[in-house]
Amino acid sequence: GNSVTQMEGPVTLSEEAFLTINCTYTATGYPSLFWYVQYPGEGLQLLLKATKADDKGSNKGFEATYRKETTSFHLEKGSVQVSDSAVYFCALSSGGYNKLIFGAGTRLAVHP
Amino acid sequence: DAGVIQSPRHEVTEMGQEVTLRCKPISGHNSLFWYRQTMMRGLELLIYFNNNVPIDDSGMPEDRFSAKMPNASFSTLKIQPSEPRDSAVYFCASSFTSGFGETQYFGPGTRLLVL
Repeated sequence: GNSVTQMEGPVTLSEEAFLTINCTYTATGYPSLFWYVQYPGEGLQLLLKATKADDKGSNKGFEATYRKETTSFHLEKGSVQVSDSAVYFCALSSGGYNKLIFGAGTRLAVHP
Repeated sequence: DAGVIQSPRHEVTEMGQEVTLRCKPISGHNSLFWYRQTMMRGLELLIYFNNNVPIDDSGMPEDRFSAKMPNASFSTLKIQPSEPRDSAVYFCASSFTSGFGETQYFGPGTRLLVL
C-alpha cells in the first residue's frame, strides 16, 4: 500500500542554518506530493506541493523536488528563522478524492 | 474566505457522555475529511466524504464513532459514548476534487478531553 516515511525529529537548529527534512514514499501510480506545516495550536496548512516527477515546489524560502527515481521529496531551506519552528508533514495523494497519506511529522525547533 | 470552521474549539467531557464535533467546509469544496491527531498515533484519517456521500470510513476506530454530512456546508462527527482514549485533536479539512493534486484546507481543530 501507499506510505510516507520522514525523518524523525526533533530537529534543532540555530537561526540561519540550512535545513533538510528527508521524506521518501511508496506508492502505486503517479502520486502528488505535499509538505504541510503545523504551527503550535493550529491546523495544518499547505507549505508546497508537486504533482509530477521533477517538479519543484517552493514557498516562503522552502523547496522540495519530486524525485521519482529515488521516490523522495526532501524539504530544504537555506536559512531558517525562529518563526519556522513548527511540525512539518510530508504527504502523498494517489487515486481519486484527494485522500492524503501523511508521514509521522518532524518537529523543527530553531533557536536564536 | 473564512476558511474551514470547526466548533467547538475545546471540549471537556466526562466518560460516557455524547460528544458532537461540527465542521463547515469552504464554500464550493466538494470533499470533506475528518482526522484525529494524537501524540501516540500521529495524524489519522477517520472518514471522508465526496459530494456529501461517505466514501471511506475504514479509519473510524469503532462503532462509537459516526459521521454525517447532511448538506454541502455542514458535517458532524459524533462519539457516543466517549472514552478517555478518545482524547485528541480532531481536524476537519476540505478540498475541491476535480482531478489530482488538489490542496486540502484544514480547520483549526477541536481539542477534546474526556475525563
